[in-house]
Amino acid sequence: QVQLQQSGPRLVKPSQTLSLTCAISGDSVSTDGNIATWNWIRQSPSRGLEWLGRTYYMSEWSHDYALSLGSRITINPDTSKNQFSLQLNSVTPEDTALYYCARVRNRAFDVWGQGTMVTVSS
Amino acid sequence: DIQLTQSPSSVSASVGDRVTITCRASQDISNWLAWYQEKPGKAPKLLIHAASNLHTGVPSRFSGSGSGTEFTLTISSLQPEDFATYSCQHGHDLPFTFGGGTKVEI
Repeated sequence: QVQLQQSGPRLVKPSQTLSLTCAISGDSVSTDGNIATWNWIRQSPSRGLEWLGRTYYMSEWSHDYALSLGSRITINPDTSKNQFSLQLNSVTPEDTALYYCARVRNRAFDVWGQGTMVTVSS
Repeated sequence: DIQLTQSPSSVSASVGDRVTITCRASQDISNWLAWYQEKPGKAPKLLIHAASNLHTGVPSRFSGSGSGTEFTLTISSLQPEDFATYSCQHGHDLPFTFGGGTKVEI
């Protein structure tokens, strides 16, 4: 059974970096990208569910990000720990949200982490 | 970005009722549509992928249909545990986007 376990701080100060990690069990972050990709999503009352980006392996590592986040976002795999991470720079209160990691197979999010409520506040 | 519009935004129903929720896409997405059930404090749960394919372990009272721009999720006989919010999501291209949700309440 595939499980995703999220970790990271729940309070981040404005202008600082939000960092979350998603540990994978029952699958591999290096699974062929034609089969699975590894994603971050957030949910807020104002924006609903919002896809942030993904990483996947197809002969080499690739990444795709939501254009709305510009250059603020980085998603990186860590093969030694079988996990992937989210970094969101220069956060503002608008980045306050419930953050999820999730696996995509067959173009649907079939496995989700437990969610991390991140608040951006001084 | 592809926009997904769900209707209704909320529906009142009773145990045993048949409930149908619609999701309309702003452009043709073939059959790349998924449905999720959301409950407070829990991660969304995948119900249907590729418009009509029941995800593993999901009860058969849930079904999905449609293609192109119009899709439906049907719950054939509502059970107490089905009172929740239901959202659609397209997988046609990036960025994947979600509908605004439909709350099924008593």
